[in-house]
Order: sequence, then C-alpha cells, then structure tokens
Amino acid sequence: GAGVSQTPSNKVTEKGKYVELRCDPISGHTALYWYRQSLGQGPEFLIYFQGTGAADDSGLPNDRFFAVRPEGSVSTLKIQRTERGDSAVYLCASSLIRSSDTQYFGPGTRLTVL
Amino acid sequence: DAKTTQPTSMDCAEGRAANLPCNHSTISGNEYVYWYRQIHSQGPQYIIHGLKNNETNEMASLIITEDRKSSTLILPHATLRDTAVYYCIVSRGDSSYKLIFGSGTRLLVRP
Repeated sequence: GAGVSQTPSNKVTEKGKYVELRCDPISGHTALYWYRQSLGQGPEFLIYFQGTGAADDSGLPNDRFFAVRPEGSVSTLKIQRTERGDSAVYLCASSLIRSSDTQYFGPGTRLTVL
Repeated sequence: DAKTTQPTSMDCAEGRAANLPCNHSTISGNEYVYWYRQIHSQGPQYIIHGLKNNETNEMASLIITEDRKSSTLILPHATLRDTAVYYCIVSRGDSSYKLIFGSGTRLLVRP
C-alpha cells in the first residue's frame, strides 16, 4: 500500500519568507509526527499529533514553527520568517493507533533557506 | 530517556553477517530497544525492537544482554542495499512517540 508521502520533496526559499510543508500519512494512521534532520545528524523530534490535536509540541524550536492537522489526516508544518538555520530535511512519520506503534517515515522535504 | 552509544562507522563484506553493537547502560526496566536504519536520501526505516528477549524478524535479529545494558543488531547476510546509517534508540512504551535519535552507526557493505 501507499506509504507516507511528503510534498514538496525540495523547497528553496529566501530568508524571511513563509513556507508550508505537507505530510500525507498512511491511511488509517491516527498518530502523526514531525522530525527535523540537519546534515550529518540524526532526526530530531518536533511535534506529535494524536488525531487532530497536538499531543506534544515540545520539540518545536520557537514560535515561528507551527503545525496543524485539521481533519486528523493530512498535516502541514508552517514556518514563518524563515532563517538560514532552518535549512534541514523535515521528516514526517505516522503510526497506526497508539504512540507505541511502529513509526513509518516519509522521504522528507529538503528545505533550503538562502 | 536512556542514551545510547554506537560506533561511528563499521564495514563488512557482502554476504557476511553484520553485527552492530549498542550500549545503553542506563536503560530502565520499562524501556524498549528499537533499531531503525536510514538509507541515503530516504526516511528512517523501522527494523526491529525488543524489551528483554531476543527477537528475530525477516530483516534482522536483536540480541539483548541479560542485564539489558547492551544489545547487538545482526544482519545475517548483508547485501549492498544494507549500506545505511543504523540507529539504536531506547524508549519507554508510553512515550515511544518521541524517538530520540543519536548519530547512529554508518554501515558500509563492501562488494
């Protein structure tokens, strides 16, 4: 079946601009996660959704970052006033029901802020 | 969450077993050991996880020491497609959503 998909695969923007990154989880998965991966590092947790609500957003680095999941399926990660330090691969993962179920990752969106 | 220590890099010959070690000396009794891998330019892929007993699936085997302070991931017959970064992660079952990745082990499978 279809896995987690993320769009766009690559995004280049200028410093100060606003960007939106989209994640389509596996159908029927109620849990959704966002991670960020800088070059040469392991992924870093950002936020976790259970259904429509953010159960844990403790990993968001500051208030320029925001994520939504209005219908409990697709999620959008929004970054305001982008900075060069935001450049990274943004990964989305989903799991079936409980937070303890296996997480399935998408291919990521590579964000480059010039 | 307990932290893990893994070698930075390893290599093995194609067709041979790859044994990837992980130290997690501060692991708690209710924490699981998870292994994920990340092939270049792809998202992480779940491999296997365990609590106390050794586990085996179609991808790999996980050997956990009796004191649970270390574990070994075994790829029985490594192929070139197994070249990847392998992450050992320790996490409680109730908060496993917060996977804490370290730097992992970069495994190179040689032809």
